Amino acid sequence: DQQVKQNSPSLSVQEGRISILNCDYTNSMFDYFLWYKKYPAEGPTFLISISSIKDKNEDGRFTVFLNKSAKHLSLHIVPSQPGDSAVYFCAASVSGGSNYKLTFGKGTLLTVNP
Amino acid sequence: DSGVTQTPKHLITATGQRVTLRCSPRSGDLSVYWYQQSLDQGLQFLIQYYNGEERAKGNILERFSAQQFPDLHSELNLSSLELGDSALYFCASSLPSGGVSGYTFGSGTRLTVV
Repeated sequence: DQQVKQNSPSLSVQEGRISILNCDYTNSMFDYFLWYKKYPAEGPTFLISISSIKDKNEDGRFTVFLNKSAKHLSLHIVPSQPGDSAVYFCAASVSGGSNYKLTFGKGTLLTVNP
Repeated sequence: DSGVTQTPKHLITATGQRVTLRCSPRSGDLSVYWYQQSLDQGLQFLIQYYNGEERAKGNILERFSAQQFPDLHSELNLSSLELGDSALYFCASSLPSGGVSGYTFGSGTRLTVV
């Protein structure tokens, strides 16, 4: 059972335009969400996160939106740059449990064309 | 440098052999997680340790085993290797509650089985 889903395996956008990456989850206990960025042959790196008490978090060109009722979050990158080309993983966690563990989506490959 | 150290970076070995991958977590992190990534696929969770104890198991084959030592470093042992075991193996570490950024990943070990 895949609790975190990234339904688009890939996305291609033009430099300077907006990139929107989507993520859906099924477990209503998830209350903290993260996005990681991964370049080929490197480990994933943390990009941005959001708590379920918020519906938006912004960090420079990156904004994450959370719609709890729809169990949906999205990552917006504006403007997109060629260096943003990477695989983006969505992840979710449940706070306060006895064991901290992230559940990852399968990732979306973003290609930003010059 | 993420603070999570994985050695070796590359490993080439023959089918049927056994290898050991090593991971040193970021200073202060008690949890260690192992992931496998094959051929641009998603991150497959293998196993988690917390302060020396196994906490969660994912899709880890019986030929694979892991442990976390008193100094908190962890080793992933892969035996009776098959061609299909060729993959990137990532280690990640985290604080008990995850913190703002969740996991910190190492740069991975690329295993090639020939």
